Amino acid sequence: QTVVTQEPSLTVSPGGTVTLTCASSTGPVTSGYYPNWFQQKRGHAPRALIYNTANKHSWTPARFSGSLLGGKAALTLSGVQPEDEAEYYCLLNYGGAWVFGGGTKLTVL
Amino acid sequence: QVHLKESGPGLVKPWGTLSLTCAVSGGSISNTNWWSWVRQTPGKGLEWIAEIYQTGGTNYNPSLRSRVGISIDKSKNQFSLRLAFVTAADTAIYFCAGVGPSGRWDSWGQGTLVTVSS
Repeated sequence: QTVVTQEPSLTVSPGGTVTLTCASSTGPVTSGYYPNWFQQKRGHAPRALIYNTANKHSWTPARFSGSLLGGKAALTLSGVQPEDEAEYYCLLNYGGAWVFGGGTKLTVL
Repeated sequence: QVHLKESGPGLVKPWGTLSLTCAVSGGSISNTNWWSWVRQTPGKGLEWIAEIYQTGGTNYNPSLRSRVGISIDKSKNQFSLRLAFVTAADTAIYFCAGVGPSGRWDSWGQGTLVTVSS
């Protein structure tokens, strides 16, 4: 069974920078896994932030960026805002099946 | 970006079949490559269930494959999910979503809570 692993929780200060990562149990994550990143706030549906590793949607704030880092997919928030406090999920494709990571709870403190 | 809305019974009896529909508005269901279902158990993470291509091709979560069916009705601009032999473990918020080229997940429904209970 394929497992996608994210940091369970991270804390960042307002204005700071934080990087969330997404690892695959099958080996290094590449662009071929079509990494997506989502933000979810309590009581709401997930909101798409990044697709295909590093592409932003029209509504994605400029402070969010996606990349590949050390064999993992990564989401970096630069100049964190209080409203960025949320759960973040990555999603990887395994040749027809999608697998979500367990999520990272980001606290802005 | 299209608007998606899930509908269906909020309560299903154990060992029954869960049936949900996702209505697509603001655009044709044929304009997006794939349509997916995702669920989230209360207080837990997201789980991908299944996806259907606009021409009918399907992919399923291996852990749910034996119980899941997904279909598309272009005439009604909607797609549907069926999950058979449900148990309390299937109690969750069910979301529908649209996936464009290159695995671009963009549109999501608001989600609908389905509780499995007698």
